[in-house]
Amino acid sequence: DAGVIQSPRHEVTEMGQEVTLRCKPISGHNSLFWYRQTMMRGLELLIYFNNNVPIDDSGMPEDRFSAKMPNASFSTLKIQPSEPRDSAVYFCASSLALAGISGANVLTFGAGSRLTVL
Amino acid sequence: GQNIDQPTEMTATEGAIVQINCTYQTSGFNGLFWYQQHAGEAPTFLSYNVLDGLEEKGRFSSFLSRSKGYSYLLLKELQMKDSASYLCAVSDSNYQLIWGAGTKLIIKP
Repeated sequence: DAGVIQSPRHEVTEMGQEVTLRCKPISGHNSLFWYRQTMMRGLELLIYFNNNVPIDDSGMPEDRFSAKMPNASFSTLKIQPSEPRDSAVYFCASSLALAGISGANVLTFGAGSRLTVL
Repeated sequence: GQNIDQPTEMTATEGAIVQINCTYQTSGFNGLFWYQQHAGEAPTFLSYNVLDGLEEKGRFSSFLSRSKGYSYLLLKELQMKDSASYLCAVSDSNYQLIWGAGTKLIIKP
């Protein structure tokens, strides 16, 4: 398997522009997570999906952020309009969450999308 | 609130042993994870502990004490390639991962 695939790897944009980040999870995984990482705040969970359904989006900073998972092999994270404070590395991760199995839900991360908003 | 504490930075010498500590206070506990993250790369899974005791995996070992809310990651025979950040994360009562800020480990020759 090629692992979790994210695109673009790097994005530089100007404040106010729309940004779309893409993720292809590992085939067979049923959970998908979007994280943001900065030096100041570390890893922050933005949203996660289970079987393509959004379960918890409480980490989404504000209405400018939205995420979709139209099918089991594709997800997008959109920021509109983007602001300089959105500059960060955005990671997508996937896992196979097994009902009834405690906790051992190992995440496989993509390489990340480094976003710079000028 | 939920909290994970680990040292910000540690320095060790090639060939030596280093122990990275992690203490946690979470609402419920369903296991503790250690991830390694090299600079500019994604975190990768190292270990998982759900029962008290030591789990050994090659040069790396991870220990857990649930009663003390404490874990450590032990790295033996340090190599330069072990220079990375090490992230501690706890699965809480809702199976959500609570992440520590990470410990940056610097290995010197």
